[in-house]
Amino acid sequence: AQSVTQLDSQVPVFEEAPVELRCNYSSSVSVYLFWYVQYPNQGLQLLLKYLSGSTLVKGINGFEAEFNKSQTSFHLRKPSVHMSDAAEYFCAVSLNTDKLIFGTGTRLQVFP
Amino acid sequence: DADVTQTPRNRITKTGKRIMLECSQTKGHDRMYWYRQDPGLGLRLIYYSFDVKDINKGEISDGYSVSRQAQAKFSLSLESAIPNQTALYFCATSDPGRTPQYFGPGTRLTVL
Repeated sequence: AQSVTQLDSQVPVFEEAPVELRCNYSSSVSVYLFWYVQYPNQGLQLLLKYLSGSTLVKGINGFEAEFNKSQTSFHLRKPSVHMSDAAEYFCAVSLNTDKLIFGTGTRLQVFP
Repeated sequence: DADVTQTPRNRITKTGKRIMLECSQTKGHDRMYWYRQDPGLGLRLIYYSFDVKDINKGEISDGYSVSRQAQAKFSLSLESAIPNQTALYFCATSDPGRTPQYFGPGTRLTVL
């Protein structure tokens, strides 16, 4: 069975500072990996996805993530955050893009 | 117009009442899903449907039922609502293959 661990429930950061949101997964087979963002009172929006190929994946809004198979991680990064990035971020894993298994989420708090 | 719509967006009901949440999509996707989101738990899969005649239980199907009226419509019912079903409910769609799931805006359900 697959599982996803998001180690931080909240990450505070100052505006224009870099940020990393951590995600580790567990699986005995190859998986697909995703990051979703949920802005207040909205549904989930896909930020980026790793299906195959290059381990560095670039997404929308300046976010990127790196797939590390040896460490079973898929951490999300942004070099300079904006106030508008404040939201909840979910890492998810899937065997075939169906039946996504989500982590518990990380709330990104951005301070001026 | 939104690709995935959910009605109602907010609902307050009493214990024991029957509730139906509706989801419609214009993306032409075959696969539809219902998730439940609880604070600190992320999203958990309730039911999913790969086509009109194929409905499957997810991780937490007890207390819920679904109906796939058409390719574009997938309804979730709570036959006798209970307070621990208070949550944010999301509908999602996807096509077979390497397509991530697209989410509706959510329905906030409160059971008193």
